[in-house]
Amino acid sequence: NAGVTQTPKFQVLKTGQSMTLQCAQDMNHNSMYWYRQDPGMGLRLIYYSASEGTTDKGEVPNGYNVSRLNKREFSLRLESAAPSQTSVYFCASRLAYNEQFFGPGTRLTVL
Amino acid sequence: EDKVVQSPLSLVVHEGDTVTLNCSYEVTNFRSLLWYKQEKKAPTFLFMLTSSGIEKKSGRLSSILDKKELSSILNITATQTGDSAIYLCAVEAPPGTYKYIFGTGTRLKVLA
Repeated sequence: NAGVTQTPKFQVLKTGQSMTLQCAQDMNHNSMYWYRQDPGMGLRLIYYSASEGTTDKGEVPNGYNVSRLNKREFSLRLESAAPSQTSVYFCASRLAYNEQFFGPGTRLTVL
Repeated sequence: EDKVVQSPLSLVVHEGDTVTLNCSYEVTNFRSLLWYKQEKKAPTFLFMLTSSGIEKKSGRLSSILDKKELSSILNITATQTGDSAIYLCAVEAPPGTYKYIFGTGTRLKVLA
């Protein structure tokens, strides 16, 4: 069991570039989440998918899009990166009302 | 607006000390509260507290939920340098949405 995996681990973008962060889980979890973590801000929810085929906005969805490709995979896309999107991004998954399991994170810098 | 507030923001103690971290919440129709430990990378799960499980313990760590005061505490006894981390509290809100609201965390540093 790999748990929750994320790619890439690090990424540097220029303002205006686009990229997709990939997340996959092998625990047969229904719900998947994307968070960003900034110093002093804790974890803020960007988007989540309660089950395959559904996605919903979280606290800070502006500038992002998501795709729940199948039960295992949930991707996060930045269409036109901005310096304000410099952050550490975590993907998480969860089975029903149990705890969330987190991936190792992606450190993104936008210049 | 639903929110979760943790205190203190940071704490420095010496090995062997006992620490108490606080989490207070304002959410509609509370269902569950989670504690996580975050070292250099991803948060790792510590405890889940619910209306039917208001006290949890694992080794030197324990946590209690006070539904009347809308708060929870995380206690760490006989602290070790390996306890140095950010401790995060999260509350499910609203119930049934599968969403969690996280506090900003308490940064604990344990000195040898």
